[in-house]
Amino acid sequence: NAGVTQTPKFQVLKTGQSMTLQCAQDMNHNSMYWYRQDPGMGLRLIYYSASEGTTDKGEVPNGYNVSRLNKREFSLRLESAAPSQTSVYFCASERLVNTGELFFGEGSRLTVL
Amino acid sequence: AQSVTQLDSHVSVSEGTPVLLRCNYSSSYSPSLFWYVQHPNKGLQLLLKYTSAATLVKGINGFEAEFKKSETSFHLTKPSAHMSDAAEYFCVVSTSLPIQGAQKLVFGQGTRLTINP
Repeated sequence: NAGVTQTPKFQVLKTGQSMTLQCAQDMNHNSMYWYRQDPGMGLRLIYYSASEGTTDKGEVPNGYNVSRLNKREFSLRLESAAPSQTSVYFCASERLVNTGELFFGEGSRLTVL
Repeated sequence: AQSVTQLDSHVSVSEGTPVLLRCNYSSSYSPSLFWYVQHPNKGLQLLLKYTSAATLVKGINGFEAEFKKSETSFHLTKPSAHMSDAAEYFCVVSTSLPIQGAQKLVFGQGTRLTINP
């Protein structure tokens, strides 16, 4: 019953460093998403993948890249981290296409100094 | 464009008393609306969903929400609060035109619910 698993749970970076957030789901879902959560702003969509082999930009994609490695895995990469990217990042997958019923991971808290 | 406004950033109630979390939405189309809950240091969990089948929607843990088109509201209620209800609650609206088969959701700012013993 793993659901959506994110790694790492915590990370501290220096400005300019790069890192990749990993996400995997074991529910055979097609659609996967990356969101960031900032205080008082709810969740904002960074990138999404409707199916294996496809990715598209969300609301706040600048400074990020993604890879949909296979149906299970969807990674988020920060090439050159900036303090504005300090946030909590959530990966989610969608139970059925176009339902809006998302399953979320427990989040990855990233601090950029 | 779709948007949601949660009218209270923080609501505090006593255990056993009713809960009301308020949400107004803006949409050019008949929307799908959701409430998600986030317990401390956890991911979000779907509480309930409205998709035009019925205006009163029942969710998990005794929560329900009523869709009122005339008021563009989708308030979340529970008759009797429990300590375990303490969490952050998000009202969410879907975009009307899913792109490439993916549903894009717009989240409200969140309402933190505190339960007093």
